[in-house]
Amino acid sequence: DAGVTQSPTHLIKTRGQHVTLRCSPISGHKSVSWYQQVLGQGPQFIFQYYEKEERGRGNFPDRFSARQFPNYSSELNVNALLLGDSALYLCASSWTGGSYEQYFGPGTRLTVT
Amino acid sequence: GIQVEQSPPDLILQEGANSTLRCNFSDSVNNLQWFHQNPWGQLINLFYIPSGTKQNGRLSATTVATERYSLLYISSSQTTDSGVYFCAVVGGGADGLTFGKGTHLIIQP
Repeated sequence: DAGVTQSPTHLIKTRGQHVTLRCSPISGHKSVSWYQQVLGQGPQFIFQYYEKEERGRGNFPDRFSARQFPNYSSELNVNALLLGDSALYLCASSWTGGSYEQYFGPGTRLTVT
Repeated sequence: GIQVEQSPPDLILQEGANSTLRCNFSDSVNNLQWFHQNPWGQLINLFYIPSGTKQNGRLSATTVATERYSLLYISSSQTTDSGVYFCAVVGGGADGLTFGKGTHLIIQP
């Protein structure tokens, strides 16, 4: 079975631009979570979605938004990019979220110049 | 929110050595996972262990939920074990995983 997939792999954007990152969960999983990992730190929780509803949100500004589609894939959108948004963005898939085991995709590396 | 502390932050060992990585957390947890992050950034699941003991080959883990800590044991280290090891939990009312800062392990030949 395919694991969690993310696209694109790498992305370079300019300050002030908008970016959309995509994630497809493991088949049968209904929950997707997004994390941001800056260099040298552990990943930080951004959002969790289950059955197309936002279940939880981390401490990120409103420039960050996400949605989940009927096929359980998800998009993370970031508006008005800042240099500090440069990071590895990780998507995780789990059966229903919450206390269930999460499985991570390979990530999208975003560079903002 | 819940706090996760990992120790040691860095560990350098010779091939063949054994190691113990520790994870302390500040509140009760519903989920605890150990990950190995490879040089390309991929987080590889090692254990899902909110309580109890598990073993997988040279790796084993123990979580004592009542005392709020977990241990990851690596025996007979190999150079391919090098990388960053993260402990992550769901707890303290949060829905997502809260990660520690990781232990950077270097295994020298």
